[in-house]
Amino acid sequence: GEDVEQSLFLSVREGDSSVINCTYTDSSSTYLYWYKQEPGAGLQLLTYIFSNMDMKQDQRLTVLLNKKDKHLSLRIADTQTGDSAIYFCAETLNQGGKLIFGQGTELSVKP
Amino acid sequence: GAVVSQHPSWVICKSGTSVKIECRSLDFQATTMFWYRQFPKQSLMLMATSNEGSKATYEQGVEKDKFLINHASLTLSTLTVTSAHPEDSSFYICSVTAPGYNEKLFFGSGTQLSVL
Repeated sequence: GEDVEQSLFLSVREGDSSVINCTYTDSSSTYLYWYKQEPGAGLQLLTYIFSNMDMKQDQRLTVLLNKKDKHLSLRIADTQTGDSAIYFCAETLNQGGKLIFGQGTELSVKP
Repeated sequence: GAVVSQHPSWVICKSGTSVKIECRSLDFQATTMFWYRQFPKQSLMLMATSNEGSKATYEQGVEKDKFLINHASLTLSTLTVTSAHPEDSSFYICSVTAPGYNEKLFFGSGTQLSVL
């Protein structure tokens, strides 16, 4: 079945890099996503990667995909206190379809 | 990016009453909308998929008579929690796919429902 796993917590100091990891089980995934959720708010799409890509960079964000190991990571460079939030990885098997979410990683950025 | 408006942001109701949550796509036509539920400190679970002009498709374990979904137009879907009970208290979020953004889902801001 489909399953997406994330570690629950990550704490970093301001200015450091953060790396949030995610593993998934379904090798049929077409797109993999990273969403950010601030307290009491909806989800904000940060970035996504197509399954035939290894890496995608967007300003401070770098997504790495190891399809062989079914491992996805999100690196945030120069982490700021405003980056404190819960980060969800998600996969979908088809375009615009059902998303399977991980449990979310709570990122805490200390000054 | 596409804009999705969800209303209300929070609602408190008495047990046994019904609550309606609206999800609107503001600048595009959304043929498909999704409704998710999120319990505290947990992930999002898909409840149902809503297609304009047809009946919603519910995920296993979600009671369709309790969670009524109406997708009457290309810009509006509603979720009605009927005869709400305290265990229905949760954060409900809608999302939509947008033309030209087929690989992305855009989310509303969510509705916090508290049933007393």
